Amino acid sequence: GAVVSQHPSWVICKSGTSVKIECRSLDFQATTMFWYRQFPKQSLMLMATSNEGSKATYEQGVEKDKFLINHASLTLSTLTVTSAHPEDSSFYICSAAFAYEQYFGPGTRLTVT
Amino acid sequence: GENVEQHPSTLSVQEGDSAVIKCTYSDSASNYFPWYKQELGKGPQLIIDIRSNVGEKKDQRIAVTLNKTAKHFSLHITETQPEDSAVYFCAASIQGAQKLVFGQGTRLTINP
Repeated sequence: GAVVSQHPSWVICKSGTSVKIECRSLDFQATTMFWYRQFPKQSLMLMATSNEGSKATYEQGVEKDKFLINHASLTLSTLTVTSAHPEDSSFYICSAAFAYEQYFGPGTRLTVT
Repeated sequence: GENVEQHPSTLSVQEGDSAVIKCTYSDSASNYFPWYKQELGKGPQLIIDIRSNVGEKKDQRIAVTLNKTAKHFSLHITETQPEDSAVYFCAASIQGAQKLVFGQGTRLTINP
């Protein structure tokens, strides 16, 4: 149990375009989901906390207008990277809290050319 | 805010030997300490966790110990196998399984 999926697993986009990443909890309902960013050989950095039915809470230094988060249902949260630039290229990972533990999705590799 | 330090950054052990990874945290209010295993190109996988009311927890070859006085916790892997090779992250939270702060990661290599 406690499976989290992400789609797509990888995406390549041109600079200036927007990209949407989906995060789903497959076998449980998640009132809270999290979005992380991970650069090569580095740790996970929390970007924002996504709450179902309310606005996301962003960490300091994360541009909320650039990284749009929508938690439309108890099983789906989306992250949209708007006007992407090469420096936004990274590994984006979502997670969900369930039964007092946090479970992670497989990640999405974003490359902006 | 919370800060988590993890050591060593790389660890190489012979198959069958034990591996130990240590983490320290700064916020004495932290009450949840999970360990994650991340393989290349994949998301982190929860392997074991411990809460502040417990000093030690074991699951087959994996164990975690917590010293709240010293504010440090450790991951112990016994009888290591090649499939244990991965990057391991510790984390801490003052809100249960909510807002996690991660350590820098340890790249563990098991040599056959």
